[in-house]
Amino acid sequence: EVQLVESGGGLVQPGGSLRLSCAASGFTFSSYWMSWVRQAPGKGLEWLANINQDGSEKYDVVSVKGRFTISRDNAQNSLYLQMNSLRAEDTAVYFCARFLSFALIYWGQGTLVTVSS
Amino acid sequence: QSALTQPRSVSGSPGQSVAISCTGTSSDVGGYNYVSWYQQHPGKAPKLMIYDLNKRPSGVPDRFSGSKSGNTASLTISGLQAEDEADYYCCSYAGNPYVFGTGTKVTVL
Repeated sequence: EVQLVESGGGLVQPGGSLRLSCAASGFTFSSYWMSWVRQAPGKGLEWLANINQDGSEKYDVVSVKGRFTISRDNAQNSLYLQMNSLRAEDTAVYFCARFLSFALIYWGQGTLVTVSS
Repeated sequence: QSALTQPRSVSGSPGQSVAISCTGTSSDVGGYNYVSWYQQHPGKAPKLMIYDLNKRPSGVPDRFSGSKSGNTASLTISGLQAEDEADYYCCSYAGNPYVFGTGTKVTVL
């Protein structure tokens, strides 16, 4: 059974940093593109970043460019999102997900990040 | 990259069909056949319902179908059931990264 389990969320002050983790199991992690998606409270989904199988290709959206970095450790079957210079508008549930073709077929349960003083 | 445009809400009675539109541009929806649709119930993670415009993952009922005309994609739910009441989001490949739609709440009357 495919499982994706996010961790690392919590309360952080504006300007602070957090590192989210996503532990993958039930599939060959190193064979798939992975992604981070977020959802602010009561709002829609926002695609944040993608990373290819070996980590050599990364793409992210303008809203987080230069502040968030996606990475992976295939030996640990783990995906990461390093978030720096956090703002109130970054408050959201953060999901990791695995690709099927050009879509996200498996999702974690999400981890809540709250940016507030 | 601007979010794709969806109607805020659609509704239908059990057994009826409803369609949700997803309008983008030639740089996303119109430029690729890589539109996907997600169903999300409150407090849950999204679930993939349609990918690559009109393909269904294993386990998704054939009541769900996808199509596209120009810059607008559509998700049709036939034979609406109570459990279909949820939020639905379209998504399109746009040359990396991807872009989601604004979301549509489907209500079963």
